Amino acid sequence: EVHLEESGGTLVKAGRSLRLSCVTSGFSFGDYAMTWIRQAPGKGLEWLGLIRNRASGGTPLYAASVKSRFSISRDDSRGIAYLQMNTLNTEDTATYYCARDRSLSYGGSPGWLDPWGRGTLVTVSS
Amino acid sequence: QSVVTQPPSVSGTPGQRVTISCSGSNTDIGTNSVYWFRQFPGAAPELLIHQIDQRPSGVPDRFSGSRTGTTASLAISGLRSEDEADYYCAVCDDSRGGVVVFGGGTKLTVL
Repeated sequence: EVHLEESGGTLVKAGRSLRLSCVTSGFSFGDYAMTWIRQAPGKGLEWLGLIRNRASGGTPLYAASVKSRFSISRDDSRGIAYLQMNTLNTEDTATYYCARDRSLSYGGSPGWLDPWGRGTLVTVSS
Repeated sequence: QSVVTQPPSVSGTPGQRVTISCSGSNTDIGTNSVYWFRQFPGAAPELLIHQIDQRPSGVPDRFSGSRTGTTASLAISGLRSEDEADYYCAVCDDSRGGVVVFGGGTKLTVL
């Protein structure tokens, strides 16, 4: 069974940094792009970025809103994707999800997010 | 503000057919595959439709996706109380460097 589990969410003060992890199992991690999405309390989904698989260059792609502060990386040997978040502010308070992107594996445009993890809550205090 | 627009809410009675629209432009919905996700309160989103109109295994055929021009639609027939949830469309936006954008989400209420 394919499984994704996020961790690392916590209460953090504004201006600090935080790294989230997405531990995966049940599939060939190196064959897929991995994506991070967040959802502020009571709000909609916001796509943050992805990291391509090695066959596609292993490069990241970020939403403009977080490009200067967030970075995504991966450890194919351990099946883990990371989201490094710097200079956090209160607007970054959200539940953060990771998801496997299946579309890039066949050369399509990203967005085929399946499955998703259960999410991890990040709360940024002022 | 999302570049892809969904109605904030739709409603229907059990057994009815409802549709949720997702309106975009030639650089996103008009060109790329559209995806639909469902989210129950307190739970993670889950894939409902991929590549405009394809259902993953396990998703009943009451759910169907389509696209006309720059508008995609999710139709739910034979509405059930358990369909009450938030629904999101997502698509790749070529004008923004190929990033993915979500619609603002639609709350479906079963009356």
